[in-house]
Amino acid sequence: DAKTTQPTSMDCAEGRAANLPCNHSTISGNEYVYWYRQIHSQGPQYIIHGLKNNETNEMASLIITEDRKSSTLILPHATLRDTAVYYCIVRLNQAGTALIFGKGTTLSVSS
Amino acid sequence: DVKVTQSSRYLVKRTGEKVFLECVQDMDHENMFWYRQDPGLGLRLIYFSYDVKMKEKGDIPEGYSVSREKKERFSLILESASTNQTSMYLCASRTTDEKLFFGSGTQLSVL
Repeated sequence: DAKTTQPTSMDCAEGRAANLPCNHSTISGNEYVYWYRQIHSQGPQYIIHGLKNNETNEMASLIITEDRKSSTLILPHATLRDTAVYYCIVRLNQAGTALIFGKGTTLSVSS
Repeated sequence: DVKVTQSSRYLVKRTGEKVFLECVQDMDHENMFWYRQDPGLGLRLIYFSYDVKMKEKGDIPEGYSVSREKKERFSLILESASTNQTSMYLCASRTTDEKLFFGSGTQLSVL
């Protein structure tokens, strides 16, 4: 699986958009980009994933660059409850394999 | 909604005890996973299973074994608990569209 690089921490004001970057310059053509988050004392929670096109769901938007070497997770109106560690993972959708989590980005949303 | 249930939220055991951590999912998923999470080290994969009676080692299987006798249940076994196995243990199952759903975790303390 391709390696990812994320900033260690980020801050965001409540109500503003939070833009979390992820670099994955060695991504291969059939690897997907996944985002999870982990709120303190809970298990990680799936947010969104994509291959090439931008994706949006009720939680967030995922913007993948045309060369696919980086992506950005966007939380359009961050709230205090969005304070969490956000993990960007790149992997093949292949049976019999597992997701490997890195260190992620700690997002702190403040009022 | 997918439900992944871990039998205990907190567990205290003595060194040398045999410990069973149980995980049950209610969505007929084939893939199930055990991770441990330690401060500064992130989530690390211990074992996973892609079908009944099938298992694969993750990154840190030493000192652990697993059992998958039924599809809905994936057990993690510490044959002889040691203090360095004090950790948060997280179980997950995966949907056919590659989303992981996690349990709430078991905080194990080995004294």
